[in-house]
Amino acid sequence: DARVTQTPRHKVTEMGQEVTMRCQPILGHNTVFWYRQTMMQGLELLAYFRNRAPLDDSGMPKDRFSAEMPDATLATLKIQPSEPRDSAVYFCASGSGLAGVEQYFGPGTRLTVT
Amino acid sequence: AQSVTQPDIHITVSEGASLELRCNYSYGATPYLFWYVQSPGQGLQLLLKYFSGDTLVQGIKGFEAEFKRSQSSFNLRKPSVHWSDAAEYFCAVGSNYQLIWGAGTKLIIKP
Repeated sequence: DARVTQTPRHKVTEMGQEVTMRCQPILGHNTVFWYRQTMMQGLELLAYFRNRAPLDDSGMPKDRFSAEMPDATLATLKIQPSEPRDSAVYFCASGSGLAGVEQYFGPGTRLTVT
Repeated sequence: AQSVTQPDIHITVSEGASLELRCNYSYGATPYLFWYVQSPGQGLQLLLKYFSGDTLVQGIKGFEAEFKRSQSSFNLRKPSVHWSDAAEYFCAVGSNYQLIWGAGTKLIIKP
């Protein structure tokens, strides 16, 4: 049963620290998405990649967030420096199929910044 | 503007009763349509999808949805809900690698 995996599942850190979240997409999927979910804003698209190339990262605060795909089996989302307002659940999803919109989600990383 | 509306923030249904969750969208062309479910503390799981063809689509866990082009709707239904169906349900529409998400409907099951 192919699944998207994310690590860590939970992260508590202090303001100003660097946070790195990792995602392993489903083998063979060529699109990867990063989302953030909060009670106030709901589900927000931060960035997405196709064939490892970033296609859109307009949803991401550029000054502190960065997303990369070093290879086809790993996507990373980094926050440096972290702030309390970054506290949220971060989801990675991978996709395939028609127009790349059919997305399969990982379990998420719950980030708390104190 | 492209948008997805799930008019009900919460819905409470008795166990064993039927369920319909509403989804309306505004989109330039007929998009691809999806329903996802999110249980507490979990990621989003794909319930069903519509790309083309038969407008009544079957999904997992006994759910189905009907695409009505004239109403720009894609409502989710289940004939008899189980306590395990308590979760949040998201409608999404899109094309070209991007989905537009509804705000979600939280389903509460009464025993």
